[in-house]
Amino acid sequence: TQLLEQSPQFLSIQEGENLTVYCNSSSVFSSLQWYRQEPGEGPVLLVTVVTGGEVKKLKRLTFQFGDARKDSSLHITAAQPGDTGLYLCAGVPNSGNTGKLIFGQGTTLQVKP
Amino acid sequence: DTGVSQDPRHKITKRGQNVTFRCDPISEHNRLYWYRQTLGQGPEFLTYFQNEAQLEKSRLLSDRFSAERPKGSFSTLEIQRTEQGDSAMYLCASSPSLGRSSYNEQFFGPGTRLTVL
Repeated sequence: TQLLEQSPQFLSIQEGENLTVYCNSSSVFSSLQWYRQEPGEGPVLLVTVVTGGEVKKLKRLTFQFGDARKDSSLHITAAQPGDTGLYLCAGVPNSGNTGKLIFGQGTTLQVKP
Repeated sequence: DTGVSQDPRHKITKRGQNVTFRCDPISEHNRLYWYRQTLGQGPEFLTYFQNEAQLEKSRLLSDRFSAERPKGSFSTLEIQRTEQGDSAMYLCASSPSLGRSSYNEQFFGPGTRLTVL
């Protein structure tokens, strides 16, 4: 069974600080997606990374896919209260023709003004 | 198109009752997924359809759960004889066929929050 481990599970920081969320697995994924979820709503897709070593930037968010496609990170620069939410990584298994996404358990981020 | 929609948004039921949820995917998407999410956890895959065919089911989907997508458009998820452990957020997602998106990017609805008393 492929698993994705996210760390940390909870993060409470002050506005303006930087942070990094990690998503790790012992398995290879063909691609990996990052989502953000607000309370009572569904996850919203932020980015997809596909190639080992790939780096994508979305304003103050930087996403990286590990060289071996087993891990990923999300770095937020100068966090703002609007960044508060649950961040989820989700991988597409590398084996077989499956439709499912494997999700990490999520990182709850709170940014205090 | 306004995205994936789900109905109802909230459902409170008593243990033992049956419940049915509906999902309307993005119109041009032929793949539809159901996930379950409990508080503080990531979503867990339940099942998915390509058009009207149910192609994969998780072991989480017990005999009390059944999903349909009869015309390849909207889908329903029914839970029979609900138990307190069924309380969760039920999320629906859709995606284009793999030919149009090799990365299986899925777009989620707002979810149905089920509470079983």
